[in-house]
Amino acid sequence: GQSLEQPSEVTAVEGAIVQINCTYQTSGFYGLSWYQQHDGGAPTFLSYNGLDGLEETGRFSSFLSRSDSYGYLLLQELQMKDSASYFCAPLRTDKLIFGTGTRLQVFP
Amino acid sequence: NAGVTQTPKFRILKIGQSMTLQCTQDMNHNYMYWYRQDPGMGLKLIYYSVGAGITDKGEVPNGYNVSRSTTEDFPLRLELAAPSQTSVYFCASSPGGAEDTQYFGPGTRLTVL
Repeated sequence: GQSLEQPSEVTAVEGAIVQINCTYQTSGFYGLSWYQQHDGGAPTFLSYNGLDGLEETGRFSSFLSRSDSYGYLLLQELQMKDSASYFCAPLRTDKLIFGTGTRLQVFP
Repeated sequence: NAGVTQTPKFRILKIGQSMTLQCTQDMNHNYMYWYRQDPGMGLKLIYYSVGAGITDKGEVPNGYNVSRSTTEDFPLRLELAAPSQTSVYFCASSPGGAEDTQYFGPGTRLTVL
């Protein structure tokens, strides 16, 4: 079978750190991508983990553990503009599988 | 360099009508994708293409058709529109496959009444 789980909503305050978890079950797994989408906008690429471990890009980091079928996105020094939906997307064969995403709300 | 462009931005169709959603990219990417996104949901892959002349079905291809005659263009055709096709449609392109960065167009908001 195939499943993908993320929390539906997360809230935090400016300057804080937030972690968005993602667990998946899919055959033919190759890696895990993360995308950000602001309301009314198009998704934008944040990161891709093809191997276990941590990838860091500025304030954002993404982690993957293939043995645990688990990954997370870590957002540091939160800003108001980080309020958006975040999608983890397992790469299955040659296609990304998107779940319903996590809505992050950042408060002042 | 415009990236990925989509037309139209908005469209209302009557049940049974047909239309083509246009998608063009100027980044010389081989891979192109069509997704639909229903309110509050993730993206569902409709069709994708790994190069000119090559297309393949995604998760939800029924009711849609595509063609890829050039590297730049990847139009999506809706035949006999149904209310279930009301959605936002995103086109995306990628230089190196699904694991690589996918660049999305601004989307087409389609309503079928």
